[in-house]
Amino acid sequence: EAGVAQSPRYKIIEKRQSVAFWCNPISGHATLYWYQQILGQGPKLLIQFQNNGVVDDSQLPKDRFSAERLKGVDSTLKIQPAKLEDSAVYLCASSLGSLTGNTEAFFGQGTRLTVV
Amino acid sequence: AQSVTQLDSQVPVFEEAPVELRCNYSSSVSVYLFWYVQYPNQGLQLLLKYLSGSTLVKSINGFEAEFNKSQTSFHLRKPSVHISDTAEYFCAVIGGSYIPTFGRGTSLIVHP
Repeated sequence: EAGVAQSPRYKIIEKRQSVAFWCNPISGHATLYWYQQILGQGPKLLIQFQNNGVVDDSQLPKDRFSAERLKGVDSTLKIQPAKLEDSAVYLCASSLGSLTGNTEAFFGQGTRLTVV
Repeated sequence: AQSVTQLDSQVPVFEEAPVELRCNYSSSVSVYLFWYVQYPNQGLQLLLKYLSGSTLVKSINGFEAEFNKSQTSFHLRKPSVHISDTAEYFCAVIGGSYIPTFGRGTSLIVHP
């Protein structure tokens, strides 16, 4: 079974530039998560999708961050404009979803963003 | 709301010694509990999980964790660690919101 795919693996941008990350979840997984992991901290949930609908985006800085999952499969996370404090690893994860009772999340390798 | 506390940010230990990584959680509803491991420059990998049933769960590489509802804990243990166990370990909880919440992580450092 293919895992969660993320691209790019690494990205370096200057502050105030824009950046986008892509995630393709495991086939059949209805739930998709984007997490931000700052160095030395645990992952912090940014947004959770159930199919193509947003379940929770309470910790997403909506003035600069946006995410979409238009067809309920792959997803993109965008930052515009980036700030120095956005430097982090952005993790995508997927799970079958709460409706099935199986809530284990599988993670991609992440995209390491450095804002200079 | 749910939360996870990992009391130790770093745990140094010598090879072949036992280790315990502590995790406490708070939630107003029944929970699912997970331990994830993150090796350097890699993504998170599920180590073990408690969904229901036996409160003692084990991984294939010798780790185990016990769900203690009265103490709201899910501590991770291994009787004899290897150098290769050096990694960051994250405890996570899923409660009524079905949103995984992670602790800050514990860095396990195994010395020869």
